[in-house]
Amino acid sequence: SQTIHQWPATLVQPVGSPLSLECTVEGTSNPNLYWYRQAAGRGLQLLFYSVGIGQISSEVPQNLSASRPQDRQFILSSKKLLLSDSGFYLCASGQGTGQPQHFGDGTRLSIL
Amino acid sequence: AQSVAQPEDQVNVAEGNPLTVKCTYSVSGNPYLFWYVQYPNRGLQFLLKYITGDNLVKGSYGFEAEFNKSQTSFHLKKPSALVSDSALYFCAVRDGTSGGSYIPTFGRGTSLIVHP
Repeated sequence: SQTIHQWPATLVQPVGSPLSLECTVEGTSNPNLYWYRQAAGRGLQLLFYSVGIGQISSEVPQNLSASRPQDRQFILSSKKLLLSDSGFYLCASGQGTGQPQHFGDGTRLSIL
Repeated sequence: AQSVAQPEDQVNVAEGNPLTVKCTYSVSGNPYLFWYVQYPNRGLQFLLKYITGDNLVKGSYGFEAEFNKSQTSFHLKKPSALVSDSALYFCAVRDGTSGGSYIPTFGRGTSLIVHP
């Protein structure tokens, strides 16, 4: 079965510091990959999605970026974090034109 | 354009009673509808989906959902609630029409609390 690994589980960073969150997928090949942010334990905001290596679509303009260097690796980055970047970040995968099917356990990011 | 409304922030139900979590949607093409559950500090888990066919869809953990085209609703139901069902539930929709976006739109979530 498919498994999504996200790390770290929790991260506390100062304003202005860089960020790198990693997501890897096991048990499938050529998945669609997604980065979501969930604020205040509620609604999901789609940040980026990718249909293949090096193919990234951005849904929301902001100071975050994403990369997909390998088929089953999806990285969320920032050069300088803002206070508003705090939240719960979720990586998800899906197949073809289907919906996100599997989610990782998330990274809780706190910006001080 | 597509959107989802979950009109209740919180639903309270006693263990053993039936539960309903409401969802209404808006989409220009054919609706593909989904329910997910999220336990505290965890990612979402997929529960069930409606693509086509029978309006009553059965999913994981005894949950089911009924697609109602005329009311543009896709309410989540379970005949007998368990305390362990307490979690955050998300409804999502996307346009299933050929050429439509395959990125679903999520609702804001409904917190289900099942009391012993």
